[in-house]
Amino acid sequence: AQSVTQPDIHITVSEGASLELRCNYSYGATPYLFWYVQSPGQGLQLLLKYFSGDTLVQGIKGFEAEFKRSQSSFNLRKPSVHWSDAAEYFCAVGGSYNTDKLIFGTGTRLQVFP
Amino acid sequence: DVKVTQSSRYLVKRTGEKVFLECVQDMDHENMFWYRQDPGLGLRLIYFSYDVKMKEKGDIPEGYSVSREKKERFSLILESASTNQTSMYLCASSRDIGNQPQHFGDGTRLSIL
Repeated sequence: AQSVTQPDIHITVSEGASLELRCNYSYGATPYLFWYVQSPGQGLQLLLKYFSGDTLVQGIKGFEAEFKRSQSSFNLRKPSVHWSDAAEYFCAVGGSYNTDKLIFGTGTRLQVFP
Repeated sequence: DVKVTQSSRYLVKRTGEKVFLECVQDMDHENMFWYRQDPGLGLRLIYFSYDVKMKEKGDIPEGYSVSREKKERFSLILESASTNQTSMYLCASSRDIGNQPQHFGDGTRLSIL
């Protein structure tokens, strides 16, 4: 079975600064990796996904993530944060076997100061 | 775009009541899921369904049941609501269980008094 860890519960950045949210996973084979964003009072919206191929994936809203197998990581990045990026971010890991489900991290809350 | 619709955004019920949360998806997805979300605990899977009338327990099924009579609709039932079931409930659907993105509804914030 797979697992996922988001080490940072809460991150604060200034508007215009760069951002990196950490995600570490555990899975015995090639994982399926996802990042979601949740604005206050809303459901989760898919930002990007990694299945295979190029380890740097581009998503919506200017986000990107890099899959690093050697570090079991899938960190989310954005070069310049906007105030509207303030939200909660969830990393999720899935797998290719019939018994695999999507497992979500506990989330990282991003606060953006003007 | 996939649309997952949850029938209520906010719901207030009393202890001991039977509570129904409804979810409908419009993309003909085989799989549907119910999660509860609590601060610091992330999303926890309650039940999921991989076909009509088929269901499987997730990580925290106690106190809940589900119903899937039609492919597009998945209901979560709190048989006898208790205060510790006050939470945000999220419904999702997907083409596959573990290797496809899940599409979420906006959630139902349920308060049990």
